[in-house]
Amino acid sequence: EIVLTQSPGTLSLSPGERGTLSCRASQTITSSYLAWYQQKPGQAPRLLISGASSRATGIPDRFSGSGSGTDFTLTISRLEPEDFAVYYCQHFGTSPFMYTFGQGTKLEIK
Amino acid sequence: QVHLQESGPGLVEPSETLSLTCTISGGSISNNYWSWVRQPAGKGLEWIGRIFSSGSTHYNPSLENRVTMSVDTSKNQFSLNLRSVTAADTAVYYCARRGQGATFDFWGQGTLVTVSS
Repeated sequence: EIVLTQSPGTLSLSPGERGTLSCRASQTITSSYLAWYQQKPGQAPRLLISGASSRATGIPDRFSGSGSGTDFTLTISRLEPEDFAVYYCQHFGTSPFMYTFGQGTKLEIK
Repeated sequence: QVHLQESGPGLVEPSETLSLTCTISGGSISNNYWSWVRQPAGKGLEWIGRIFSSGSTHYNPSLENRVTMSVDTSKNQFSLNLRSVTAADTAVYYCARRGQGATFDFWGQGTLVTVSS
């Protein structure tokens, strides 16, 4: 079973700064099945990135994803006030068929 | 725009069965996978399982001995049964649609289920 470890647990930044969030897999995974979500309090998660680097429909271009193998990154180039939330990475595995989420990174206003 | 809505009891007694239904509107349940994901208060996301419109299923190995999912294509609905619940099953339960790259592109708003006597 793949384990996804996100770091840091909490990231304190100011609007306008650059945010870099990490997701590390316990073994090499297929980039095609690595995604990122944003979740705000009281809301369902929102898909940001699929296939490690493809922005979902309607997602601003300040969000970008990168990485391969075991190390993946979500970058927010210039933080807007609405970007402060919890972010999860997610992987889909085929042996067994299973979805796994990281434990989340809370992005908070400094 | 696809819309998903969870429904079911908000309170379940310990050792009983948690039953939820997800109703899809604005799109068809056909030819896609539909999942249940849960989130205990203040904690992360846990995938419970998924069902294809034909009825084939995949479950999280940690829950598979207690989970059953079913689909009713005539009603554009799919359902979750989780047996022998304990307080550890208290969570917000979401239904979600499989998107490109095995993601979840549409989610319900979530429903809180509390296990308590």
